[in-house]
Parts: sequence; structure tokens; C-alpha cells
Amino acid sequence: DAKTTQPNSMESNEEEPVHLPCNHSTISGTDYIHWYRQLPSQGPEYVIHGLTSNVNNRMASLAIAEDRKSSTLILHRATLRDAAVYYCIPVLFTSGTYKYIFGTGTRLKVLA
Amino acid sequence: GAVVSQHPSWVICKSGTSVKIECRSLDFQATTMFWYRQFPKQSLMLMATSNEGSKATYEQGVEKDKFLINHASLTLSTLTVTSAHPEDSSFYICSARHLNRAGNQPQHFGDGTRLSIL
Repeated sequence: DAKTTQPNSMESNEEEPVHLPCNHSTISGTDYIHWYRQLPSQGPEYVIHGLTSNVNNRMASLAIAEDRKSSTLILHRATLRDAAVYYCIPVLFTSGTYKYIFGTGTRLKVLA
Repeated sequence: GAVVSQHPSWVICKSGTSVKIECRSLDFQATTMFWYRQFPKQSLMLMATSNEGSKATYEQGVEKDKFLINHASLTLSTLTVTSAHPEDSSFYICSARHLNRAGNQPQHFGDGTRLSIL
């Protein structure tokens, strides 16, 4: 199974860009990378996903390394509302279905 | 769009009680729903995959007789924690995958159910 490694925690100043790294060196060639974030006592919220190319949406950008062994979630201007635990998740096809296996995630603190 | 609703949001009950948690996809149909459990300060752990009209597939170490899953329609899956004990106290979260989307597309999560067993 593909495993992920993320920093336990990161800090950012408000209005500054944030780069959240994820190592997924055991990922297979067809596994998508999904990113979610979770606020306390809430379910995870979808942020962005990709396979090989860099991706942009209204929430964030996703930069995927050429060898696909790592990716970086980019929040262009952090706000206080971005403080959350961010999970990088390879989507695994196993036992006939696509599944998420959550790692430990990165707790992002945003300083005013 | 793609809203998943869980009910109840929280429940407190006595040891030995069975508790049912509902997961509904409100504005889309889902052949596949997933149930996760999350302990304080920990990550989500996948418990089982629920498929409409068929038996759920449980992850290793999850007791299927303890955690009964029913997925009777394309918009509803239920998780029943049978004879719950204090060690079953946790945050239970469901997610659903859109019927017409590829399996590697995003899941949509509910807001979770906090279960406390006294």
C-alpha cells in the first residue's frame, strides 16, 4: 500500500503563501493524489486532487513532482480559516474498490 | 452540491445499548459509501466499505458483528454499533462517492457523529 509522510505541524503568517509537502514514494503509476483538510469536530473537506500534472482550483494549487514521489499543496494566501489538519491521500484500488488510507496529516497554524 | 448528511451529530448512551448512525447523500446517488472512525488526536481509520444492495466489506481488525452496516438505497447507509461499550466511544464519519463518477474521484464526507458510551 502507498504510504505518505507529512510534517506533523507547520506555521504560517496570515496573508503569506503556505507550501505543505507530502512524500508518497511508494505510490503506483495510476494512483491519484487527493488532499483534504479537517477542522475540529468536522468531517474532512475536499481541497484538490491530481495525477501527474499540476492542478489549480479556487482553494489551492497542487504541484506534483515529475517522478510522482512527492507533491506539495500550495495555499497562496493563508487566512485564519485555513488553520486545519491537511491530509495527503493516495487513492488505492484494492479489494475491488478505490479507498482512502489516511496518514497522520499536517496541522497548519495560521498566525494573525 | 454533493452534500452528505449524518445523523445524529452526537449521541450519549449507556453501556450495552445499540446505536444507529445514518449517512445520507442529499443531492446525489452513491453506490459506495465508506465508514471511518477517528479517536482524539488521531487520523481517520477506514472501517468498512458499504455497497448498495450487497454486503459491506470490512477492514482487517473491524468486527462485522459489532459494527453492522446496511446500504439499502443509493442515498442511505447506516452503521449500527451493537452492544456499545466505553471503548467504542469515538468520532464516526461517513463518506460517499458519486454514482456517476470514476472510482478515483473525490469522496464527499459527512460532518461526523460523536458517540460517547457511559
